[in-house]
Amino acid sequence: ETGVTQSPTHLIKTRGQQVTLRCSSQSGHNTVSWYQQALGQGPQFIFQYYREEENGRGNFPPRFSGLQFPNYSSELNVNALELDDSALYLCASSLAAGGAIYEQYFGPGTRLTVT
Amino acid sequence: DQQVKQNSPSLSVQEGRISILNCDYTNSMFDYFLWYKKYPAEGPTFLISISSIKDKNEDGRFTVFLNKSAKHLSLHIVPSQPGDSAVYFCAASEAAGNKLTFGGGTRVLVKP
Repeated sequence: ETGVTQSPTHLIKTRGQQVTLRCSSQSGHNTVSWYQQALGQGPQFIFQYYREEENGRGNFPPRFSGLQFPNYSSELNVNALELDDSALYLCASSLAAGGAIYEQYFGPGTRLTVT
Repeated sequence: DQQVKQNSPSLSVQEGRISILNCDYTNSMFDYFLWYKKYPAEGPTFLISISSIKDKNEDGRFTVFLNKSAKHLSLHIVPSQPGDSAVYFCAASEAAGNKLTFGGGTRVLVKP
């Protein structure tokens, strides 16, 4: 069984640029959630995708957007990068079945630095 | 507003003893609670969960206790092992698998 994978591992971008982060869900999972973890804090929910549709969004501006593909992999896009976007970005996958959604399993994260 | 709080940023415990991690929440709509462990350069690893219809859940060395009236949960690790040294996050959601709201984490150091 393959776990959640994310790419790239590290990324350095300049303020104002755009970035795309990628996530492959754990085998058999159909739901993906994205979180931002700033240094010394707990992860904060950005949004969740289920069957290619956004299924909930946290308190993040519209320049944070996402996609989920038919194979359940996902992308997080951030436009007009700001210095405060520097963080660890975590992807988590889970299985939604029979009206229930089970525990979320996290990937290793992408460390984004904005200069 | 911090809906989930872990008031102890760090905890040091001797190998073989009990580690007790605490977590408080304010949102009465939360009905599913989880604990995750995180090592440096890795994503959080799911440890144990509990739904609001229970007050205790055990899995091996890990036990989670939920006190709904006090809006408080705790994680007990018995016996603590050096490999348990990590940052522990508690998280809550309004339904299993829904968006998770995390606490700020507690760094645990288990001394040999």
